[in-house]
Amino acid sequence: AQSVTQPDIHITVSEGASLELRCNYSYGATPYLFWYVQSPGQGLQLLLKYFSGDTLVQGIKGFEAEFKRSQSSFNLRKPSVHWSDAAEYFCAVGARDSSYKLIFGSGTRLLVRP
Amino acid sequence: DAGVIQSPRHEVTEMGQEVTLRCKPISGHDYLFWYRQTMMRGLELLIYFNNNVPIDDSGMPEDRFSAKMPNASFSTLKIQPSEPRDSAVYFCASRPQGVNYYGYTFGSGTRLTVV
Repeated sequence: AQSVTQPDIHITVSEGASLELRCNYSYGATPYLFWYVQSPGQGLQLLLKYFSGDTLVQGIKGFEAEFKRSQSSFNLRKPSVHWSDAAEYFCAVGARDSSYKLIFGSGTRLLVRP
Repeated sequence: DAGVIQSPRHEVTEMGQEVTLRCKPISGHDYLFWYRQTMMRGLELLIYFNNNVPIDDSGMPEDRFSAKMPNASFSTLKIQPSEPRDSAVYFCASRPQGVNYYGYTFGSGTRLTVV
């Protein structure tokens, strides 16, 4: 069965510092992979996605993520964090079959110190 | 495009009352999903529809919950009778036909409080 693990519940970084949020997945083949961001009181917004090709994908708001098959990981990164990046981040896995379901991780809450 | 539209944004109701949450998906999106988000359980898929037909409702917690999609532009999630443990944020999401790499587009959610 598919599963997604986000091992960090909270992460605090200083504004301007770099950021890496971890995501590990369990799936029998290469899945579709997504990162979503949820600002307080808002729905989830798609940051980026991977489905094939270049393992380093670029997203909105200066985020990128790297797919590493050998580690079953899809970590999210940003070189310099802004205060407005404070939010909750969700990694998700989608099957490459007809189920059409996305399985979400438990989320990582990012706090940004001024 | 106005995106996925949910109403109401906030709902406060008394235990035992019926609650109806509404969702308008993006036009042309053939899939519609209802999720529930709580601190304890995170994001849970409750049910999803394809072309207005319920495909998988295995996430619906109990018979008090029901969902309908009478046409391509409208869906409801109903809780009758409501209980305090139903308090959560309920999200609707939609996506087009085709493989999963489109991802979902989420609405802003309905925050339900049952007192």
